[in-house]
Amino acid sequence: EAQVTQNPRYLITVTGKKLTVTCSQNMNHEYMSWYRQDPGLGLRQIYYSMNVEVTDKGDVPEGYKVSRKEKRNFPLILESPSPNQTSLYFCASSFLGETGVIGELFFGEGSRLTVL
Amino acid sequence: GQNIDQPTEMTATEGAIVQINCTYQTSGFNGLFWYQQHAGEAPTFLSYNVLDGLEEKGRFSSFLSRSKGYSYLLLKELQMKDSASYLCAALDSNYQLIWGAGTKLIIKP
Repeated sequence: EAQVTQNPRYLITVTGKKLTVTCSQNMNHEYMSWYRQDPGLGLRQIYYSMNVEVTDKGDVPEGYKVSRKEKRNFPLILESPSPNQTSLYFCASSFLGETGVIGELFFGEGSRLTVL
Repeated sequence: GQNIDQPTEMTATEGAIVQINCTYQTSGFNGLFWYQQHAGEAPTFLSYNVLDGLEEKGRFSSFLSRSKGYSYLLLKELQMKDSASYLCAALDSNYQLIWGAGTKLIIKP
């Protein structure tokens, strides 16, 4: 079954304790992206990757890191989480068209993170 | 700056028709997406328009006018399960997605 898998789905942590949210897709997609979703603000892009070893900042990258060492995996790292990073996080992936156009995005189920 | 506008919330009656509007201002344009998101779940793809006109897919249709920077999603024969948020997203000249805040659609019996 084609899917994007995120882990953990739910996490409560404390300020400053490093954490990683994993994301894996089995569709051989070139494009992967991380979003955070907060009430009233919609989806905001954190980082994205057009292919292996290629990552770029989105709209709200501060406090986050990513890596793309393999095509299927795109982990999100919070080196020193703070309460303002409490949010619902989504990983998404897509094929890229010949001109680099993003196609239909497939989303993971989401990871709800609370930082105390 | 780049911007997507869509209504925050709409209410409609089961069995009726509802139109959700989206206006966009982007640096260049490479298409517009609509996604559906039920509360607490991930967004799922509904449609993609890059040319002017109406695209019909079952009970859902999506319209685009590039000259007006305008799109709408039309939902017919509304069902209770259509209660969800509907997200509009435009692809700019750098192939980046610009997202609206979403329209929460409430369906009443």
